[in-house]
Amino acid sequence: GEDVEQSLFLSVREGDSSVINCTYTDSSSTYLYWYKQEPGAGLQLLTYIFSNMDMKQDQRLTVLLNKKDKHLSLRIADTQTGDSAIYFCAERESGGYQKVTFGIGTKLQVIP
Amino acid sequence: NAGVTQTPKFQVLKTGQSMTLQCAQDMNHEYMSWYRQDPGMGLRLIHYSVGAGITDQGEVPNGYNVSRSTTEDFPLRLLSAAPSQTSVYFCASTVGRMNTEAFFGQGTRLTVV
Repeated sequence: GEDVEQSLFLSVREGDSSVINCTYTDSSSTYLYWYKQEPGAGLQLLTYIFSNMDMKQDQRLTVLLNKKDKHLSLRIADTQTGDSAIYFCAERESGGYQKVTFGIGTKLQVIP
Repeated sequence: NAGVTQTPKFQVLKTGQSMTLQCAQDMNHEYMSWYRQDPGMGLRLIHYSVGAGITDQGEVPNGYNVSRSTTEDFPLRLLSAAPSQTSVYFCASTVGRMNTEAFFGQGTRLTVV
């Protein structure tokens, strides 16, 4: 079945870039997502990328997709304390209900 | 602009009690899902629905029932609560198959003692 893996924790200094990595197993995934969860809140979509794209940039966020290695990364430029949250990678399967499978989440800690 | 509304936000149950977690969306979305979030496990799909009258099981359906009598509502029922069901529960909705974004509720934190 589908599996999405992420590291559990990342700590960066304010102003530095953060890179959160993710690997997935379903080569037929159509969309790959990054969600952000702030404490006590639900998940909020940050950005997504089609599986036929290599890169997507949206202001401070850059998503890189290596389809051959099934590797997805999220780069946050000029990381701010407000970026401290848990970041979930997710993939959407191509068939049927197009179920979305989430990784376990990477907790980003931004040190002032 | 309510989006997806879950109630209650917090609940404590005794083992063996039953309860219903409510989820309502006002966006006329076809697809609705229930997830549970546990430390180190990410989000796991419990049940989902692709439209009114249609439901199916996700990864971890045991101990839970759902129904979808209207497009707006997708309640999750715990028939006989167990401590293993202590978790944070999220309801989500999407427009349909080709839509990219799932909208999440704020979550229900359930503790079973």
